[in-house]
Amino acid sequence: EIVLTQSPGTLSLSPGDRATLSCRASQSVSSSYLAWYQQKFGQAPRLLIYGASSRATGIPDRFSGSGSGTDFTLTISRLEPEDFAVYYCQHYGSLLYTFGPGTKVEIK
Amino acid sequence: QVQLQESGPGLVKPSQTLSLTCTVSGGSISSGSYYWSWIRQPAGKGLEWIGRIYTTGSTNYNPSLKSRVTVSVDTSKNQFSLKLSSVTAADTAVYYCARGNWAIDGFDIWGQGTMVTVSS
Repeated sequence: EIVLTQSPGTLSLSPGDRATLSCRASQSVSSSYLAWYQQKFGQAPRLLIYGASSRATGIPDRFSGSGSGTDFTLTISRLEPEDFAVYYCQHYGSLLYTFGPGTKVEIK
Repeated sequence: QVQLQESGPGLVKPSQTLSLTCTVSGGSISSGSYYWSWIRQPAGKGLEWIGRIYTTGSTNYNPSLKSRVTVSVDTSKNQFSLKLSSVTAADTAVYYCARGNWAIDGFDIWGQGTMVTVSS
């Protein structure tokens, strides 16, 4: 089973800052099966990125994904107030979906 | 647009069976390249995928829960359901239903979630 690790656990930034979130897989995975979600408090997760780098419908272009193999990155180029939330990476493989523990992006 | 809504008891006694239903509105559960999943989240914790079903009835489950989980679909009602047997306090969580999309291998539509507490 693939284990996803996310870092940092918490990222304290100000609006307008650039956010770089990391997701590391315990073994090499296909980038086709790596997704990112945003979850605000009390809400369901929202799909941001699929296939490691493709933005989901309606997602602003300040969100971008990259990476391959075991290391993937979600970048928010310029934080807006509504971007402060928890972000999860997710992998699909061997008929199993796994999520990382999440990175909380909080206001500094 | 397609929307999902979970329903079911908010309180389940230990050792009993948790039963939830997800109603799909705004589109047919049978159309498109989709599958239908259940995902849960204990308070303050991360997300755990429980299982999925295709409208053919084919299912896949998380091995950690497989012995206790059944996911079923009723296309005539545009619904799919979750049953989790022999529940304990560890099964207390917000339960989400979600649409999986083959084209992107991600969950592109989620229900709002429903809190289920296991307690006597």
